[in-house]
Amino acid sequence: GNSVTQMEGPVTLSEEAFLTINCTYTATGYPSLFWYVQYPGEGLQLLLKATKADDKGSNKGFEATYRKETTSFHLEKGSVQVSDSAVYFCALISLNTGNQFYFGTGTSLTVIP
Amino acid sequence: EAQVTQNPRYLITVTGKKLTVTCSQNMNHEYMSWYRQDPGLGLRQIYYSMNVEVTDKGDVPEGYKVSRKEKRNFPLILESPSPNQTSLYFCASSFDLMNTEAFFGQGTRLTVV
Repeated sequence: GNSVTQMEGPVTLSEEAFLTINCTYTATGYPSLFWYVQYPGEGLQLLLKATKADDKGSNKGFEATYRKETTSFHLEKGSVQVSDSAVYFCALISLNTGNQFYFGTGTSLTVIP
Repeated sequence: EAQVTQNPRYLITVTGKKLTVTCSQNMNHEYMSWYRQDPGLGLRQIYYSMNVEVTDKGDVPEGYKVSRKEKRNFPLILESPSPNQTSLYFCASSFDLMNTEAFFGQGTRLTVV
């Protein structure tokens, strides 16, 4: 079946540090991959997406590359800011196994000045 | 403004008392879904709907019902709530599954005592 595995949190970084949040997946067929962000007290918002192998999604300085050979979609940012403090969710959907979204457990990021 | 609206935002109820959480979207989206968010488990899909009168079970449908009589509305019904349904619930909608973002409501914090 489909599943998403994210690195455990919480993660605490100093401002301007480099960020990596690991995400690996298991899926049949050719899933689309997403990163969503949840700020305190709010719903999830799409951060970036990739719909086929080798695609790179990017937004607000965040990037992730769809790696089919390693079944990974790691989130990176070169220089984090305090405003990036949030919970980040990796997710996938694959039409081959029904029309369901699968989310990782989320990684909490805190950026300190 | 494009949005998904959930009501209520907070609800405390007693075991066995039927309740409904409403969800409405103003974007003419076909796909709508309900999730619950629990610590350490991330988001798990409860039910989803591909269109009017078409609903399907997600990963954790037990104890929940949904209906999709109109395109814009997708209420979540708990016929006989139990304490293990205490959770944070999110409704989401999207135009399609693979390529466009899902828009999330702000969440409903439900406590069943």
